[in-house]
Amino acid sequence: GAVVSQHPSRVICKSGTSVKIECRSLDFQATTMFWYRQFPKQSLMLMATSNEGSKATYEQGVEKDKFLINHASLTLSTLTVTSAHPEDSSFYICSATSTSGRVNEQFFGPGTRLTVL
Amino acid sequence: TQLLEQSPQFLSIQEGENLTVYCNSSSVFSSLQWYRQEPGEGPVLLVTVVTGGEVKKLKRLTFQFGDARKDSSLHITAAQPGDTGLYLCADHHGSSNTGKLIFGQGTTLQVKP
Repeated sequence: GAVVSQHPSRVICKSGTSVKIECRSLDFQATTMFWYRQFPKQSLMLMATSNEGSKATYEQGVEKDKFLINHASLTLSTLTVTSAHPEDSSFYICSATSTSGRVNEQFFGPGTRLTVL
Repeated sequence: TQLLEQSPQFLSIQEGENLTVYCNSSSVFSSLQWYRQEPGEGPVLLVTVVTGGEVKKLKRLTFQFGDARKDSSLHITAAQPGDTGLYLCADHHGSSNTGKLIFGQGTTLQVKP
């Protein structure tokens, strides 16, 4: 149980285009989902917290107009990187917390590798 | 703002050797978690420790939590190539109710056969 999926696993796009990444909780309902980015050989940096049915809360320094987050249901959150540039190339990882079971136990997705040419 | 420092940042050892990774916090941990992440994948939770002085074992992995709850160590006995990966410590940011995690910068472990 407690599986989180991400789609796509890899994406390559041209500079200036927008890319949407999906995060799904497959076998549980997630009240909260988190989005992280990770550069090579570095740790995870939290970008934003996404709660179902409400606006996402962004960490300091993260542009909300560039990284659009939608959490329309208890099993799906999406991250859209708008007008992507090469410096946005990174590994994007989502995680989800369950509405039941252990409080604040996060389950991580497998990540999405974004390459902007 | 809480800072988590891990050491060493990189470690390359031969199969069969033992190793220890450390995680130190600038403030008391709410609840410390250790994760392992393999290249191209998301982190996988190894253990959660809450009580100062706590010791948990997971096969060849031993996790210790400092009495003052500001430091932790992960010891691997007889490392195997399958242990290769990025080891991350993490704590819940501020109150545990937010669910937000702060991660250390990670320790990259390479175990050579």
